[in-house]
Amino acid sequence: GAGVSQSPSNKVTEKGKDVELRCDPISGHTALYWYRQSLGQGLEFLIYFQGNSAPDKSGLPSDRFSAERTGGSVSTLTIQRTQQEDSAVYLCASSTAPLVYEQYFGPGTRLTVT
Amino acid sequence: AQRVTQPEKLLSVFKGAPVELKCNYSYSGSPELFWYVQYSRQRLQLLLRHISRESIKGFTADLNKGETSFHLKKPFAQEEDSAMYYCALSGSNYKLTFGKGTLLTVNP
Repeated sequence: GAGVSQSPSNKVTEKGKDVELRCDPISGHTALYWYRQSLGQGLEFLIYFQGNSAPDKSGLPSDRFSAERTGGSVSTLTIQRTQQEDSAVYLCASSTAPLVYEQYFGPGTRLTVT
Repeated sequence: AQRVTQPEKLLSVFKGAPVELKCNYSYSGSPELFWYVQYSRQRLQLLLRHISRESIKGFTADLNKGETSFHLKKPFAQEEDSAMYYCALSGSNYKLTFGKGTLLTVNP
């Protein structure tokens, strides 16, 4: 079946611009996660959605970052007024339960802020 | 707070040699530990989890609560094992904490 998809695969933007990154989870997966993968920093948890519950936003690095999940499916991560330190690979993952048995990752969006 | 430490950023071995990727964790409760792998130009994927005590692609990992470690081992490394390996911990019911990763290179 189809896996987690993300778009765009690459995004180059100028400092100060806003960007939107999209994630389509596996159909039926109720949990959705966003991570940031930076060189030498591993995977940094950003935000978690589970069903209709309030999202866990504890990992968002600043108020320039926000995310929403519409209809319990597609999610959009928005970064406002991008900075060069936002350059990273943004990964989305989904799972079938709130318990972490196995997370399925998307291919990521490589964001470059110039 | 939960923390995962992978002390080696890079690890290079020759084909056929044993390999051990180190992982130490910090968590006050009873954690679940995982190893994820990312091969070149592929997605990050689960390799194995401690609770299932399985061997995947020849890799095993034993949870040592006394040493708070979950090292990944393989007796005879293969070139196709070259990849980035991440150790991850789940202490709460949904959040994974990842280490910074170890890039394994298996030389011919």
